[in-house]
Amino acid sequence: EVHLVESGGGLVQPGGSLRLSCAASGFTFSSYAMNWVRQAPGRGLEWISYISASSGTIYYADSVKGRFTISRDNAKNSLYLQMISLRPDDTAVYYCARYSYDSSGYPNRFDYWGQGTLVTVSS
Amino acid sequence: DVQVTQSPSSLSASVGDRVTITCQASQDINIYLNWYQLKPGKAPKLLIYDASKLQAGVPSRFSGSGSGTDFTFTISSLQPEDIATYYCQQYDNLPQVTFGQGTRLEIK
Repeated sequence: EVHLVESGGGLVQPGGSLRLSCAASGFTFSSYAMNWVRQAPGRGLEWISYISASSGTIYYADSVKGRFTISRDNAKNSLYLQMISLRPDDTAVYYCARYSYDSSGYPNRFDYWGQGTLVTVSS
Repeated sequence: DVQVTQSPSSLSASVGDRVTITCQASQDINIYLNWYQLKPGKAPKLLIYDASKLQAGVPSRFSGSGSGTDFTFTISSLQPEDIATYYCQQYDNLPQVTFGQGTRLEIK
């Protein structure tokens, strides 16, 4: 059974840093692209970052570009999100989500998600 | 960027009712639309992908339809466990996927 478990959230002051982790199990982690998606309180879902299976391709949403860094360790079945220069509007539940693929190998859906970890940026 | 407008923002219905949620894309996105269910404290769940395909293990009372710019998500007979917030998501311009604003579904 596929499991994704996020950790590393907490309370941090504006301008501070935090590193989130996502532990994956139940599937061949090194074969799948992964993402981070967040949900601010009372707001909708926002995709923030993508990393390909081999780490060769990485993308960020404009809202986090230059401040957040996505990475993965396929030997440890783990996904990471390093966050610096945190702002109050980064307060959100952060989810890791696996990309699944259609029959032609095109990523078309987030088929598994973790339960999320809460990041609160406040003084 | 492709925007998706979801409606209604909230919905109250009785057990057994047919429930419909719509999403409208700002441009033609073919069938590149998915639907998710979010419950507090739980992992989001994929219900429908490619506009109308039922994800494995999802009850058949959930369905989706549409293509181009107009999409519909339907629960044929509302169950108490369906209380959640539902989101559509477009993936026409990967990796910049975007979500609708969400529909909060309550039991009347």
